[in-house]
Amino acid sequence: DAGVIQSPRHEVTEMGQEVTLRCKPISGHDYLFWYRQTMMRGLELLIYFNNNVPIDDSGMPEDRFSAKMPNASFSTLKIQPSEPRDSAVYFCASNPDRGHAFFGQGTRLTVV
Amino acid sequence: GQQLNQSPQSMFIQEGEDVSMNCTSSSIFNTWLWYKQDPGEGPVLLIALYKAGELTSNGRLTAQFGITRKDSFLNISASIPSDVGIYFCAGLPLYKYIFGTGTRLKVLA
Repeated sequence: DAGVIQSPRHEVTEMGQEVTLRCKPISGHDYLFWYRQTMMRGLELLIYFNNNVPIDDSGMPEDRFSAKMPNASFSTLKIQPSEPRDSAVYFCASNPDRGHAFFGQGTRLTVV
Repeated sequence: GQQLNQSPQSMFIQEGEDVSMNCTSSSIFNTWLWYKQDPGEGPVLLIALYKAGELTSNGRLTAQFGITRKDSFLNISASIPSDVGIYFCAGLPLYKYIFGTGTRLKVLA
């Protein structure tokens, strides 16, 4: 298996633009997580899904952030409109019903 | 969001030295995990602990699940330059992983 695949690896956008981050979890994994990593706040859980259903989105910072999982093999995290303080590395992770989380390589987002 | 207290925050060590880091929580966890993150990559699992008191090794790495279920430690013996990176503990009450603040390790050759 190729592991958790995220795209793009790097994204630079202007403030106010819409940003969409993509994730393909490992096949057969029931859980999908979106994390944000910054120097100041470390790894923060934004939202997680179980069997494509959002279970806990209490970590989503604002209404500008939204996440979807239309099927078991794809999820998106959208920021609209983006702001400079959204600059961070965003990780997607998946894990099976019994097991640990496998992380993607992350998307480094820079909002200028 | 909630985070685990991890210490030290960073450390510089000489190649060949042993390293120890720990993680504490005010909550009880059923699982403790230790991850390593290399620059520009996502965290990768090193060791998973599932029972209080459990001591598990993976090569030069040894981790223990504290008896109180509120702490865990990770030891690295005879460090080498490729051990550089950020080490995270993660506690798992259910499926909402809670991560430590990370220990940034730098190894001086």
